[in-house]
Amino acid sequence: ETGVTQSPTHLIKTRGQQVTLRCSSQSGHNTVSWYQQALGQGPQFIFQYYREEENGRGNFPPRFSGLQFPNYSSELNVNALELDDSALYLCASSSAHERPQETQYFGPGTRLLVL
Amino acid sequence: SQQGEEDPQALSIQEGENATMNCSYKTSINNLQWYRQNSGRGLVHLILIRSNEREKHSGRLRVTLDTSKKSSSLLITASRAADTASYFCATDDYGGATNKLIFGTGTLLAVQP
Repeated sequence: ETGVTQSPTHLIKTRGQQVTLRCSSQSGHNTVSWYQQALGQGPQFIFQYYREEENGRGNFPPRFSGLQFPNYSSELNVNALELDDSALYLCASSSAHERPQETQYFGPGTRLLVL
Repeated sequence: SQQGEEDPQALSIQEGENATMNCSYKTSINNLQWYRQNSGRGLVHLILIRSNEREKHSGRLRVTLDTSKKSSSLLITASRAADTASYFCATDDYGGATNKLIFGTGTLLAVQP
């Protein structure tokens, strides 16, 4: 157990809907990253939040957005859902002081199915 | 996009045998990590090797890194049924501002009891 929790564990939505996924980072960690993992693929970086600001973004459209709260928990929001958004969404936390911590600690993921 | 590929895509062995997985990557790195994923759930960090290291051990795990060939291997010795999982290599965001991980495509390991 890494101490990173995600909710919900599973979610079914239809095309065009919006979804919010939640993540609580490990105690003492101030950096949260989100990854999308399609079936049979490795995780792909969506974006990272550090001290409540976006600190880097992967190749994902603007309808993928996020938030980080003062307690370092985070949300991933996806608008106008498409079928290809069906995937496992992973949250990872790490701590950053003078330099980002290299090892990330992953939550169990939220499996999203878009019909 | 993925950083690179892992080989083989799938591997089936008997308990007690050794399992070797290979990872190739495309860009310069500061470090390379290996993660395990059970049944499509969260990833668990196994080991990190830095670009100036050639070999590292952790329990039954042995990782090698060849930066000239941009490749790494993970050896699991004396495998157990509980080692059944997907294994991913991940490189760092070399020269970037984040600590994002760039993953390979993964190797699915099945250890038969």
